[in-house]
Amino acid sequence: GQQLNQSPQSMFIQEGEDVSMNCTSSSIFNTWLWYKQDPGEGPVLLIALYKAGELTSNGRLTAQFGITRKDSFLNISASIPSDVGIYFCAGPPTDSWGKFQFGAGTQVVVTP
Amino acid sequence: DGGITQSPKYLFRKEGQNVTLSCEQNLNHDAMYWYRQDPGQGLRLIYYSQIVNDFQKGDIAEGYSVSREKKESFPLTVTSAQKNPTAFYLCASSIRGYYNEQFFGPGTRLTVL
Repeated sequence: GQQLNQSPQSMFIQEGEDVSMNCTSSSIFNTWLWYKQDPGEGPVLLIALYKAGELTSNGRLTAQFGITRKDSFLNISASIPSDVGIYFCAGPPTDSWGKFQFGAGTQVVVTP
Repeated sequence: DGGITQSPKYLFRKEGQNVTLSCEQNLNHDAMYWYRQDPGQGLRLIYYSQIVNDFQKGDIAEGYSVSREKKESFPLTVTSAQKNPTAFYLCASSIRGYYNEQFFGPGTRLTVL
């Protein structure tokens, strides 16, 4: 099945900097989800979005549901070492009932 | 605590052998899913089940089989027909299918020797 286009593939940043990543698709979504995955572990849900234009925060994380319903953005503010990991987007496109699509992930590396 | 458990964490198999990966959830979720994760790729759906005694093939079902005899359990069997089974396998569940958030287990890393 088609997967989501997620960028950037990786980011190397210094502690305290902000991080931004995005996902795009040619399909329309009713739900966008953002997960974080540590090496060798299962993904953990960070933020869920349900409405076009919605802006939702979870601590230093902020995600937005694009108004076209074909994209979503995740921002991490004032990064800290524990933000290291792989972040990926996911959601069920309206034209593919029952099946989620996933981004390949953005690897975030934070240096002191 | 409610959650999803997968066992074992690491699994080694010889070529030609079938192996079964366990997935159990106590979240009272109706839907359960199996994904395969390879480096640099998004998760790919193997099988999913919306209700007990019913399941559907995902995008890469060849060489895999599942059962859903209980709401809490959704075991995955990797058969000898799977040509490249070495991967990280993730089980997930959601309250019900489609629009609901999926929650993942800790994963099982399968290595074929």
